[in-house]
Order: sequence, then structure tokens, then C-alpha cells
Amino acid sequence: AQSVTQPDIHITVSEGASLELRCNYSYGATPYLFWYVQSPGQGLQLLLKYFSGDTLVQGIKGFEAEFKRSQSSFNLRKPSVHWSDAAEYFCAVYREGGKLIFGQGTELSVKP
Amino acid sequence: DARVTQTPRHKVTEMGQEVTMRCQPILGHNTVFWYRQTMMQGLELLAYFRNRAPLDDSGMPKDRFSAEMPDATLATLKIQPSEPRDSAVYFCASGLEGGLSYFGAGTRLSVL
Repeated sequence: AQSVTQPDIHITVSEGASLELRCNYSYGATPYLFWYVQSPGQGLQLLLKYFSGDTLVQGIKGFEAEFKRSQSSFNLRKPSVHWSDAAEYFCAVYREGGKLIFGQGTELSVKP
Repeated sequence: DARVTQTPRHKVTEMGQEVTMRCQPILGHNTVFWYRQTMMQGLELLAYFRNRAPLDDSGMPKDRFSAEMPDATLATLKIQPSEPRDSAVYFCASGLEGGLSYFGAGTRLSVL
């Protein structure tokens, strides 16, 4: 069965530091992968997606993610974190019909 | 700016009462999803529709939950009777088959 694992429940980084959020997936075929961000009290906003092609994908707000088939990973990165990036981040894999299977989420805190 | 609209944003009710949540998908989208978010379970798919027909509602407790699409501009999720364990944030998302899902801001439900 398809699944998504985000090993880190909570991460704290200093403003200006680099960030990497981990995501591992379990899926038989080539997966379609997504990262969403959720600010407190808000819905989910799509940061970026991977369908095929270049394994390094660029998203909004300066985020990028790299698909690594050999590691079944799709980690999210940002070179320099801003205080406004504090939020919860969800990795998801697409299933047939458009359904998304989400990871448990990683809460990001940013220290001044 | 097209967006998924959910009403109400917040709902507080007493156990045993009926709750109806509404979703207006983005015009032209033919797929609508209902997700539930809780601290314990994370984001779970409850049901989804394509072209107004229910395709999968296996994630939904059948005895008290029902989901419908009376027309292409309205999806509803109803709980009758509501229970405290139903307290969660309920998200609606819409999209095109095989495409991205766009999420509403959610309905935060508290059942006392």
C-alpha cells in the first residue's frame, strides 16, 4: 500500500539557516509527489510537485525538492529560512483518481 | 482569483446535533475531495466525487456521515448525529482528473 513518512515531527531552525525536511514514500510505480504548507488556521497551499522529468523541482517561496528514486525520498529544502516560513509542512503522494496520501506533517519553528 | 470556498469556517455544536459543512469547488473542476485533519490521525481522505458521482467514501463512517454533490457548484458533508470524536478540521479540495488538488481553508468543528 502506498504510504508517506515524514520522520521529523518538529524541527527548529534559526532564521537565515538552511532547511531540509525529509519525506520517504512507499509506492510501486513512479510516484507523483507533492509538498504542501499549512499556516495556522489555514488550508493547505501547494509548494511544489514532481510528476516526471528533472528530479530537482522548484517551487514557490524559494523552496525546492529533490526526487531520489534509489532512496524513495522527496526532501524539501530551502537555503535560507525566513520567520514567515514557520508552519506545518506535508508531503503527499498521488493515488489514482487524484487522491492524496499525506504524511503526518513536520512542524517548522523559526528562531530569530 | 479562483479558490475553494468552505462554510462555515468554524462550528461549535453539542453532541447529537446535525452538522452540515459546505464546499464550493473551483468552477470547472470535476473532482471534489473531503479530508479530515486531527492531531492523532493527520490528514485522512473521507470521500471523493468525480463529475458529481461518489467514487470512494470508504474513509467515511457510514452510520453517521454522508457526502453529496447536489450540483456542480456545491458539495456537502453531513454528520448526524455528531459526536465529540468528530471534532476536527474538515477540508474540501477540488481539481481536475489527474491534476492538482486545491484546498479550501477548512471548517473547524468542535462537538461538545
